[in-house]
Amino acid sequence: ETGVTQTPRHLVMGMTNKKSLKCEQHLGHNAMYWYKQSAKKPLELMFVYNFKEQTENNSVPSRFSPECPNSSHLFLHLHTLQPEDSALYLCASNVSPGGWNTIYFGEGSWLTVV
Amino acid sequence: DQQVKQNSPSLSVQEGRISILNCDYTNSMFDYFLWYKKYPAEGPTFLISISSIKDKNEDGRFTVFLNKSAKHLSLHIVPSQPGDSAVYFCAASQGGSEKLVFGKGTKLTVNP
Repeated sequence: ETGVTQTPRHLVMGMTNKKSLKCEQHLGHNAMYWYKQSAKKPLELMFVYNFKEQTENNSVPSRFSPECPNSSHLFLHLHTLQPEDSALYLCASNVSPGGWNTIYFGEGSWLTVV
Repeated sequence: DQQVKQNSPSLSVQEGRISILNCDYTNSMFDYFLWYKKYPAEGPTFLISISSIKDKNEDGRFTVFLNKSAKHLSLHIVPSQPGDSAVYFCAASQGGSEKLVFGKGTKLTVNP
């Protein structure tokens, strides 16, 4: 238990569906991230939120829409995804923005787009 | 182009022996390096790190070596235990940034 909880753990969705991934951290951290791990690829940073404000969008397509209502919660809204978007989506949090050694990951949400 | 490379997708070692996991990087601006460990159905967990001002950092059975001139780091696990079986990710940071760049990972299997 890392203090970062992701739901759902597994999601299957059609290309026309709208779904959301949820992340909650119970660590009092001020930074949250979305990472993506596709098959045979490294973990890739998607979005960075510091104090609820998005500070990084790593050229992510607009069919992925993040939302950070407060420092403890982070969502990834999914709309009209493609099969190649099937991947493990990992949420992470950090004690404070900029720290490289205090990042905690959630267990991930496995997404399958059919 | 991958900036952090783990060229061995898998490694198999006997219990009690040394496990050596390798990582190469191309960006000379990276100055912090981390190893994460990931069990199936769990997220990566931080294992050990090293800054570029050092060439070695040790924590119990785990030692990370950094060769800046070769842009290479390695993780040594001695002695290896079956519970060490996991995927190990190398990651790098530039300027202490939170934006980590990861390798693809190496799956370590420690056989009893």
